[in-house]
Amino acid sequence: KAGVTQTPRYLIKTRGQQVTLSCSPISGHRSVSWYQQTPGQGLQFLFEYFSETQRNKGNFPGRFSGRQFSNSRSEMNVSTLELGDSALYLCASSSYNSGANVLTFGAGSRLTVL
Amino acid sequence: AQTVTQSQPEMSVQEAETVTLSCTYDTSESDYYLFWYKQPPSRQMILVIRQEAYKQQNATENRFSVNFQKAAKSFSLKISDSQLGDAAMYFCAYKSAGANNLFFGTGTRLTVIP
Repeated sequence: KAGVTQTPRYLIKTRGQQVTLSCSPISGHRSVSWYQQTPGQGLQFLFEYFSETQRNKGNFPGRFSGRQFSNSRSEMNVSTLELGDSALYLCASSSYNSGANVLTFGAGSRLTVL
Repeated sequence: AQTVTQSQPEMSVQEAETVTLSCTYDTSESDYYLFWYKQPPSRQMILVIRQEAYKQQNATENRFSVNFQKAAKSFSLKISDSQLGDAAMYFCAYKSAGANNLFFGTGTRLTVIP
């Protein structure tokens, strides 16, 4: 069974640009969550999608957005990039959006903003 | 809001010895789940062990076990017979029963000395 796949693994952007990251969940998983990991702020929840609907959102500005497709694949977009957006972005998938289910993480997309 | 505290930024252990990583959390909820995740240099977050708050029995997974003290809001991880492959960042995480987002601690970097 394939794991959670994130693309691209690495990318470099400049301030003001926008970026789109992709996440393919484990087959059959309907929930996809996104997290930002930085040395200063640690791991922070961005948002969660379940059955193409955003179910929960963390405390991030509106420049951070996402969506989920009918096949459960998800994308997150960051517009007008700032230096502070440099981070490892982790995607996690699970079968359901509550309860005892376990989140399985991908290897992340490392974004560097210059 | 839920908070998770890991007070040991770094720990080291001799190969084959036992080490305990500490975690405390703060919540007003009665139904929740606690996790320990491991993040090796490959960056992929890997689930180590899970504990349901309603279970009094401490979870165990092979060489990994937890000491869950619900009243004290403490959730420590014990690694027995430490191996070189255990070297990684370890994150303690909290999840409400009715939601799917994880609240992470700041992590403990574990070094295993041969």
